[in-house]
Amino acid sequence: DTGVSQNPRHKITKRGQNVTFRCDPISEHNRLYWYRQTLGQGPEFLTYFQNEAQLEKSRLLSDRFSAERPKGSFSTLEIQRTEQGDSAMYLCASTGREGSYGYTFGSGTRLTVV
Amino acid sequence: GEDVEQSLFLSVREGDSSVINCTYTDSSSTYLYWYKQEPGAGLQLLTYIFSNMDMKQDQRLTVLLNKKDKHLSLRIADTQTGDSAIYFCAADSNYQLIWGAGTKLIIKP
Repeated sequence: DTGVSQNPRHKITKRGQNVTFRCDPISEHNRLYWYRQTLGQGPEFLTYFQNEAQLEKSRLLSDRFSAERPKGSFSTLEIQRTEQGDSAMYLCASTGREGSYGYTFGSGTRLTVV
Repeated sequence: GEDVEQSLFLSVREGDSSVINCTYTDSSSTYLYWYKQEPGAGLQLLTYIFSNMDMKQDQRLTVLLNKKDKHLSLRIADTQTGDSAIYFCAADSNYQLIWGAGTKLIIKP
């Protein structure tokens, strides 16, 4: 068990470009979450999957954001037409059952939009 | 919407106990968590407590839960320099975790 893996660790992109991040959860975990964290704040919920089904999506998530989890394994988060306000740490977490044993977080992908 | 609040800073002397406090609003929260985040690092789960418990101890960590007042605390005994970090309180609310803004623990020599 190597934990939750996120790639890339850092991404610098120009405003208007599209970016995609990947998350590989702990293999036996069926729930996968995406959060966003800005400096000095706690994480904000973006979306979550149970297996391959995307069950909830935050109102914070504009239609420029899309997430997928094909086959219920890894997940991708895509941001289209990036804006400077998208600069943040994007965190992925997984858990086996809701709440129990806690959520295991990856190290995050830090996005900087210039 | 639901909210979690914590003070932003706590300063303690090395060797003393640290007590970090948190309040939450969702009375239906089943699990409450404490996470630690060191500079440039991800979120590390320290401990969690189920809502039908009022105390949980794990080595140097003690979690106290007052469900009536919706108050959670984390006590770190014998605080060391390696405990310097930001500590986040989080409460589960429906399908997500609601997070506090984090308490930065500063250790004085």
